[in-house]
Amino acid sequence: QKEVEQNSGPLSVPEGAIASLNCTYSDRGSQSFFWYRQYSGKSPELIMFIYSNGDKEDGRFTAQLNKASQYVSLLIRDSQPSDSATYLCAGGGGYQKVTFGTGTKLQVIP
Amino acid sequence: EAQVTQNPRYLITVTGKKLTVTCSQNMNHEYMSWYRQDPGLGLRQIYYSMNVEVTDKGDVPEGYKVSRKEKRNFPLILESPSPNQTSLYFCASSYSKGHLLYEQYFGPGTRLTVT
Repeated sequence: QKEVEQNSGPLSVPEGAIASLNCTYSDRGSQSFFWYRQYSGKSPELIMFIYSNGDKEDGRFTAQLNKASQYVSLLIRDSQPSDSATYLCAGGGGYQKVTFGTGTKLQVIP
Repeated sequence: EAQVTQNPRYLITVTGKKLTVTCSQNMNHEYMSWYRQDPGLGLRQIYYSMNVEVTDKGDVPEGYKVSRKEKRNFPLILESPSPNQTSLYFCASSYSKGHLLYEQYFGPGTRLTVT
């Protein structure tokens, strides 16, 4: 069973701090990686998509991919209370099956 | 507006009564997929389709059927629903090229209750 592992949290950070979310994956065939934000009862909202080793930045968000170590991370700078949500990591395999982690709950404390 | 739509958004049904949940996207995406989300288990892929007439099983395909006759539509069929299929269902679509999936976008979800 191909897996994507995330710490379930909750991860608590003060407002304005950097939140660091991590994810590991077991399928070396995975090529595409996604970070989603999900509020309770709502659909996942795409935050970042990455497929090359290294960093990818978009506004306050930076995704990091390290294929050799099989991990993906998401940094959220200047965290806001509105960032409080569950963050889902997902990997797309070579046959385009997508596997999600169970999510990390982030709490940003005002 | 680029979007993935699902219908119905809420459905309560009885065991054994066939139902279909529709999914449509207007982004001309090749890849479409169905997921179910259950507390503590996260999002699990049911079926996916890489293009018209091409479908494959995800991690939890038992009790579900799909078809992809048109690029924009990807209905999910439960021929004989059971209570363990009570869940929140999401459809998603993505541009794909070769083995690479690009940004995957989700529909609003369908909350299904089977009694």
